[in-house]
Amino acid sequence: KAGVTQTPRYLIKTRGQQVTLSCSPISGHRSVSWYQQTPGQGLQFLFEYFSETQRNKGNFPGRFSGRQFSNSRSEMNVSTLELGDSALYLCASRSSGVNEQFFGPGTRLTVL
Amino acid sequence: QKEVEQDPGPLSVPEGAIVSLNCTYSNSAFQYFMWYRQYSRKGPELLMYTYSSGNKEDGRFTAQVDKSSKYISLFIRDSQPSDSATYLCAVNSGNTPLVFGKGTRLSVIA
Repeated sequence: KAGVTQTPRYLIKTRGQQVTLSCSPISGHRSVSWYQQTPGQGLQFLFEYFSETQRNKGNFPGRFSGRQFSNSRSEMNVSTLELGDSALYLCASRSSGVNEQFFGPGTRLTVL
Repeated sequence: QKEVEQDPGPLSVPEGAIVSLNCTYSNSAFQYFMWYRQYSRKGPELLMYTYSSGNKEDGRFTAQVDKSSKYISLFIRDSQPSDSATYLCAVNSGNTPLVFGKGTRLSVIA
């Protein structure tokens, strides 16, 4: 079974721009969560989607948003990029009723 | 107080050594305990998943949970250079967001 895939793998943007990241979960997994990983803060939860509905949201500003499509694929968007948004953005999926989460390889975003 | 505390290391051991990695957590509502391994420039890979207090073994890896002291451990026996990675502990209350430790960077020297 294919794992979680994320595109693009690397991205370079400038301050003020916006960016959209994509995640395809493991086949059959309907829950997708997004996390931000930085050297200073570690892994922090952004939001979780299940059946196209946001189920949980972390403590991030409104510039960070996401959505999920009917095929469970998910996108996250960051608007008005700041230097501090440079990070590895990780997507994780899990099957409904199961707690174990499986991560993709991440998208490394660099904001200049 | 952070919800999950983990010594960032780095930890350097000779090949064949027994490695002990540890985390403490503050909230007794956390009932599920995980260890992830993350190689450089890769996503975290789920290594161990436990629910109850006690030990769970999988090959050279043993996860240990002590809910009374809110302490979780991962032991690696006969460590190999391929075990060199960052190890992250994570906890949650079941179908809730994972709360991670900062990770411990491990180097196993041949």
